[in-house]
Amino acid sequence: DAGVTQSPTHLIKTRGQQVTLRCSPKSGHDTVSWYQQALGQGPQFIFQYYEEEERQRGNFPDRFSGHQFPNYSSELNVNALLLGDSALYLCASSLFRAGTNTEAFFGQGTRLTVV
Amino acid sequence: GESVGLHLPTLSVQEGDNSIINCAYSNSASDYFIWYKQESGKGPQFIIDIRSNMDKRQGQRVTVLLNKTVKHLSLQIAATQPGDSAVYFCAEPHNQAGTALIFGKGTTLSVSS
Repeated sequence: DAGVTQSPTHLIKTRGQQVTLRCSPKSGHDTVSWYQQALGQGPQFIFQYYEEEERQRGNFPDRFSGHQFPNYSSELNVNALLLGDSALYLCASSLFRAGTNTEAFFGQGTRLTVV
Repeated sequence: GESVGLHLPTLSVQEGDNSIINCAYSNSASDYFIWYKQESGKGPQFIIDIRSNMDKRQGQRVTVLLNKTVKHLSLQIAATQPGDSAVYFCAEPHNQAGTALIFGKGTTLSVSS
């Protein structure tokens, strides 16, 4: 049973460029959340996708956008990259249950470095 | 606003000791809490969770205690092993409608042999 997989594992981009990160959820999961983790900090929630729509969003600018595909996989796009966007980007998947919270499983992350 | 914080950024223990990692939360409406372990270069790994209708929950070598009166959460690790060395985060849901999480800054646990 494959867990949450993310690609690529590492990425170096230049300021002003755009980047796309990818995530495949754990088998049987239908909800994907993205987090940004700066060095020495806890993960910060970016947004969550369910049924191909953004359902919740954290305090991140519109430069951060995403998409969920019919097979539940997801992409995170960041435009006009800033040096401060350098971080570990984590994807977490879970199974939606109305009115309750369920366990979220994390991938290994994509290490993005902006130079 | 909502926040989840930790009392100590680092904790050093000897192998075989019991470890206690603490966490304070601010949202009294939170009804679900999770502890994650994150090893270097890896994503957070689920350890144990607890719902607000419980005060204590036990897993394998780990126990989570919840004190809703003072909004305090703790993770106890029995017979700590070198493999337990990692950063530990407590987390609570962004809201009650999903699984988006708010994380604290983490406690780094170092276990020496």
